[in-house]
Amino acid sequence: DTAVSQTPKYLVTQMGNDKSIKCEQNLGHDTMYWYKQDSKKFLKIMFSYNNKELIINETVPNRFSPKSPDKAHLNLHINSLELGDSAVYFCASSQGGSYYEKLFFGSGTQLSVL
Amino acid sequence: AQSVTQLGSHVSVSEGALVLLRCNYSSSVPPYLFWYVQYPNQGLQLLLKYTTGATLVKGINGFEAEFKKSETSFHLTKPSAHMSDAAEYFCAVMADSSYKLIFGSGTRLLVRP
Repeated sequence: DTAVSQTPKYLVTQMGNDKSIKCEQNLGHDTMYWYKQDSKKFLKIMFSYNNKELIINETVPNRFSPKSPDKAHLNLHINSLELGDSAVYFCASSQGGSYYEKLFFGSGTQLSVL
Repeated sequence: AQSVTQLGSHVSVSEGALVLLRCNYSSSVPPYLFWYVQYPNQGLQLLLKYTTGATLVKGINGFEAEFKKSETSFHLTKPSAHMSDAAEYFCAVMADSSYKLIFGSGTRLLVRP
């Protein structure tokens, strides 16, 4: 059983398109996150939700909109894709919002914007 | 503000040799420190973490790290490298009370036969 699963694994699209990445966790965690890993492997948090409520919202363009229909899901919708959005996006979850807790990561979605 | 610096984007060792991956942090408050490992095409996995208490922390797969406040370091070590240890390793610090985990830029460990 995959603890944190995200789809699709690969996403290739044209500039200007709108796309979504889905994430689901079956661990019963109440906090979920989106991270962006750039081409230099630098990993940076984008958003965090705790019990469907947004608790972290980094300086991310408005084109990125997370949606949490329930605490087991956190989807990422991206409007008007740009070349600079190309990266690997990781979903993660933890029990509680404290970083004392272990983060469980999905295997990533590699987004390529052409 | 908190930050993490990992010295060396690539480290190459022979199988059986000592692994040493360096991490230095900056934090205005007592830090919480983490090492994560990323195998190819996978998400990150927690290796070990330091919150409070004993400064030598043991993790999975034979790795350990020592928190040295005077040196603001949290270096990761393993006495004997195995081929399966080849991966990307990330050091991270918790950013005060905002629940943000600040990651370093990663160190790729290569293990030579």
